[in-house]
Amino acid sequence: ETGVTQTPRHLVMGMTNKKSLKCEQHLGHNAMYWYKQSAKKPLELMFVYSLEERVENNSVPSRFSPECPNSSHLFLHLHTLQPEDSALYLCASSQGLAGGPGELFFGEGSRLTVL
Amino acid sequence: AQKVTQAQTEISVVEKEDVTLDCVYETRDTTYYLFWYKQPPSGELVFLIRRNSFDEQNEISGRYSWNFQKSTSSFNFTITASQVVDSAVYFCALIPNNYGQNFVFGPGTRLSVLP
Repeated sequence: ETGVTQTPRHLVMGMTNKKSLKCEQHLGHNAMYWYKQSAKKPLELMFVYSLEERVENNSVPSRFSPECPNSSHLFLHLHTLQPEDSALYLCASSQGLAGGPGELFFGEGSRLTVL
Repeated sequence: AQKVTQAQTEISVVEKEDVTLDCVYETRDTTYYLFWYKQPPSGELVFLIRRNSFDEQNEISGRYSWNFQKSTSSFNFTITASQVVDSAVYFCALIPNNYGQNFVFGPGTRLSVLP
């Protein structure tokens, strides 16, 4: 069982659809993240949850709505997306360390295509 | 502002060659952390190393070595005797200690190791 599991791995949706991406971490970490990876762009941080509270929200359009019901699960709800939202969405988790930020553990990503 | 530059977009080497991936960072913080991640074709980013700004010792782990030089704000990564399995995109990342959990990633370097 991998440390961070994302489903679905691939998703194709129309601009009027509503769908959700799911992430589950089995590492006992206290922080979870959503990143967006587009072609030829650096990884973009979308949201961070620490102890189930959202602590970072980097000017992400409201058509992306995160949800963190507990420290092991993270969702990204999608609605009325645009074709430019097509990307690889990566979930990650980490554990804060006494000596500074812990490393991120990533899932394999959900490849989203918006038609 | 925090920034990570990886000037090499793509590198191709033949198996058994040594290769160095460059990483240059910018930050005004005196305490910060640097990371390297590997992203194989499967998609998930795999943690390779974490280094804090007070530890300038170079590190070696098998065929991997890292050269951290604060004077030039660089944290370069060398693979010795490269193998086909090293083919991946490699990301350098920075997070200042008081910057929450907002990791700043470089654009990545795609390494192709040819047999």
